[in-house]
Amino acid sequence: SQQGEEDPQALSIQEGENATMNCSYKTSINNLQWYRQNSGRGLVHLILIRSNEREKHSGRLRVTLDTSKKSSSLLITASRAADTASYFCATEMNTGNQFYFGTGTSLTVIP
Amino acid sequence: DTEVTQTPKHLVMGMTNKKSLKCEQHMGHRAMYWYKQKAKKPPELMFVYSYEKLSINESVPSRFSPECPNSSLLNLHLHALQPEDSALYLCASSQAYTGNTIYFGEGSWLTVV
Repeated sequence: SQQGEEDPQALSIQEGENATMNCSYKTSINNLQWYRQNSGRGLVHLILIRSNEREKHSGRLRVTLDTSKKSSSLLITASRAADTASYFCATEMNTGNQFYFGTGTSLTVIP
Repeated sequence: DTEVTQTPKHLVMGMTNKKSLKCEQHMGHRAMYWYKQKAKKPPELMFVYSYEKLSINESVPSRFSPECPNSSLLNLHLHALQPEDSALYLCASSQAYTGNTIYFGEGSWLTVV
């Protein structure tokens, strides 16, 4: 399988706490993207980090990428109940236009 | 406008039926994708079209037949499906060169009875 692995599979935190989820992948990539999916809905793009970048921020999101370890992390700070969703990493192969998803992390933020 | 529109939202079909899922985008993207997602699982890549030509087929059974009539439209023709094909089918699009965001539609829920 070309999928990455994410951990934890599920995460439950209190509102206001930080949430960290990790993604590991198998092959060299062009970039890595993080998506959010509310139950039964489409995927919403959160952030893209290129293979030559190590860290990126967007609002309450912080993403890191370590290509030597083939891993990435997504940090959501000051979580809100509305952040409750599944989060997926997706890697783009060096050949381009092939995006494979990680196994996902289900985040529950308790008000 | 970063919208990918999929129709229908829900589809119930028998195993002998022929139906189609449709996807449309007006972002000028020249790469379009079909993904299949089962409950509590990640999306799985099925097909990729680049400049209206099929570039990737992830060993998908022939009962799924993709079509890209023009740069804005992507169809998925369904025939003789099995109950295990019931899933959320997601369409996406992106620029055709690397390093770009892919944008997803809301998906079509397919139930095969």
